[in-house]
Amino acid sequence: LAKTTQPISMDSYEGQEVNITCSHNNIATNDYITWYQQFPSQGPRFIIQGYKTKVTNEVASLFIPADRKSSTLSLPRVSLSDTAVYYCLVYLDTGRRALTFGSGTRLQVQP
Amino acid sequence: ETGVTQSPTHLIKTRGQQVTLRCSSQSGHNTVSWYQQALGQGPQFIFQYYREEENGRGNFPPRFSGLQFPNYSSELNVNALELDDSALYLCASSFRGESQETQYFGPGTRLLVL
Repeated sequence: LAKTTQPISMDSYEGQEVNITCSHNNIATNDYITWYQQFPSQGPRFIIQGYKTKVTNEVASLFIPADRKSSTLSLPRVSLSDTAVYYCLVYLDTGRRALTFGSGTRLQVQP
Repeated sequence: ETGVTQSPTHLIKTRGQQVTLRCSSQSGHNTVSWYQQALGQGPQFIFQYYREEENGRGNFPPRFSGLQFPNYSSELNVNALELDDSALYLCASSFRGESQETQYFGPGTRLLVL
């Protein structure tokens, strides 16, 4: 199983760039790396997904080194509304495609 | 908004009762997965349905069962409810057929078992 490890919590201030790093040493060849954001009592919201190098969308960037054993979610200029739990996941390449969520990173953005 | 809807939004049951939760998948999606999220924890995979058949199951007892209908909507049934079943139940839909399958979640159903 591709298990992920990420910081339990992070603090930031409005306007700063936030980088959340996730390690996934046992990632399989066919696995993709996906990040979700979750607010209290809501379903996780898909942020970004990638396989290698760099992926960017209107919300975030995802940096994946060549060995793919880690990845970094970058949130530019965070605001108070970015306060949430962020989950890093890799797909189980067993055909089940069940998402395995860890405890996530609780990001607190201060004014 | 993901287009995935769930009903009801909240539900209160007593121990021993049975409950049915419903999920409508996003248009164009053919796969539905269900997750249980206890307070303060990440979602835990219950099972997944594809082409109306169970296609993978997590570490949940048989009293958790489900269905997928021809229109790809789905139900989660839980029998003999226990206090520990109190949680947020999440449904996620996706399209099977691509190498890069992304699951999109609904808002969840909050179940409280007394």
